[in-house]
Amino acid sequence: DAGVIQSPRHEVTEMGQEVTLRCKPISGHNSLFWYRQTMMRGLELLIYFNNNVPIDDSGMPEDRFSAKMPNASFSTLKIQPSEPRDSAVYFCASSWGDGTYSGANVLTFGAGSRLTVL
Amino acid sequence: DAKTTQPTSMDCAEGRAANLPCNHSTISGNEYVYWYRQIHSQGPQYIIHGLKNNETNEMASLIITEDRKSSTLILPHATLRDTAVYYCIAARMNSGYSTLTFGKGTMLLVSP
Repeated sequence: DAGVIQSPRHEVTEMGQEVTLRCKPISGHNSLFWYRQTMMRGLELLIYFNNNVPIDDSGMPEDRFSAKMPNASFSTLKIQPSEPRDSAVYFCASSWGDGTYSGANVLTFGAGSRLTVL
Repeated sequence: DAKTTQPTSMDCAEGRAANLPCNHSTISGNEYVYWYRQIHSQGPQYIIHGLKNNETNEMASLIITEDRKSSTLILPHATLRDTAVYYCIAARMNSGYSTLTFGKGTMLLVSP
């Protein structure tokens, strides 16, 4: 099992550019999460998908952020236009379950994508 | 959302047991307690979770008090590789589904 695969691992871009982060969840997992981590705010949940459907996007900062899950094996997080305050490590995680059970939050995290916006 | 309180940092000698406390006095009856850890520059890693009973796996043991207001994660024989930030989380239920909200955690430093 290759685990949760994220790309790119590192991205440096200039303010105003579009950024696309990619995630391949563990095969068979039906829940997918995008988290963002900064020194100031810690780990924040951005969006949660179940069976490819967005369930909770209340953590998405603003309209510049969008996430999609076109199929069970792929998700993207897009920032357009990017700003320096978007600099962070973005983690994707996956799990098995429908989210209705508090005991099913065994998440496997990817290695993260470190984004730097200049 | 049940808030958890953890010490900011702890030290442990290599080979000794590390006992990490967590207070969750407002936890609801159906909210599981989870422990994750994050080693520097890596993604968080699941350790263990429980509801009422004590739990043990190959990584750690979880002791939950009878009133469920606090818990302790035990690493029986800490190694240098166990140096990490340890997060205690009460998995909230929100509008019929459950997600994890990470706090600041406890920075555990294991020394030789």
